[in-house]
Amino acid sequence: GNSVTQMEGPVTLSEEAFLTINCTYTATGYPSLFWYVQYPGEGLQLLLKATKADDKGSNKGFEATYRKETTSFHLEKGSVQVSDSAVYFCALTWNSGGYQKVTFGTGTKLQVIP
Amino acid sequence: GAVVSQHPSRVICKSGTSVKIECRSLDFQATTMFWYRQFPKKSLMLMATSNEGSKATYEQGVEKDKFLINHASLTLSTLTVTSAHPEDSSFYICSAWRTRDEQFFGPGTRLTVL
Repeated sequence: GNSVTQMEGPVTLSEEAFLTINCTYTATGYPSLFWYVQYPGEGLQLLLKATKADDKGSNKGFEATYRKETTSFHLEKGSVQVSDSAVYFCALTWNSGGYQKVTFGTGTKLQVIP
Repeated sequence: GAVVSQHPSRVICKSGTSVKIECRSLDFQATTMFWYRQFPKKSLMLMATSNEGSKATYEQGVEKDKFLINHASLTLSTLTVTSAHPEDSSFYICSAWRTRDEQFFGPGTRLTVL
């Protein structure tokens, strides 16, 4: 079945460091890919998305490119801030029999220290 | 923006009682809502899909008689945990789909069963 594999955390970086959180997927058909962020004490929020191969999603300095050849959707940011500390989830959605389906990665906790 | 609310945010109940959790989309209509369960330091597990005007569809391994879902209107879905037991203690999150690729999450409900 469809699945998402996400790098395990926690990831600890100094402020202004470069961030990469790896995400690879297994899927049939044409899924959409997402990154969600969960800040401490808050609900999940959509960070960015890509709905077809070679699409690049971007938001708040974060980027991820939907790469079908490597089945990946790695999250990157050039210079992280303390306020980026959160848990990041990679997710995949697809349509099955007329119903939306979704699967999430296990989440990667990011801690940015001043 | 799209806002999804959940009520209550926290609930403590005695073993054997039932608990109802509401999920509302405040500024858009959602024919589809999802219910998730999130275990500590784990990812989200999709429990069921709530469809307005029809029966919910449950993921494999989720007891439909224990987790009753009612999608009463285009802005409201409820999850009732019947005859709750301590192992049902968890963080329950709902989401509402505004479009095929836009899923907005509620802030979650912490259920503790004594």
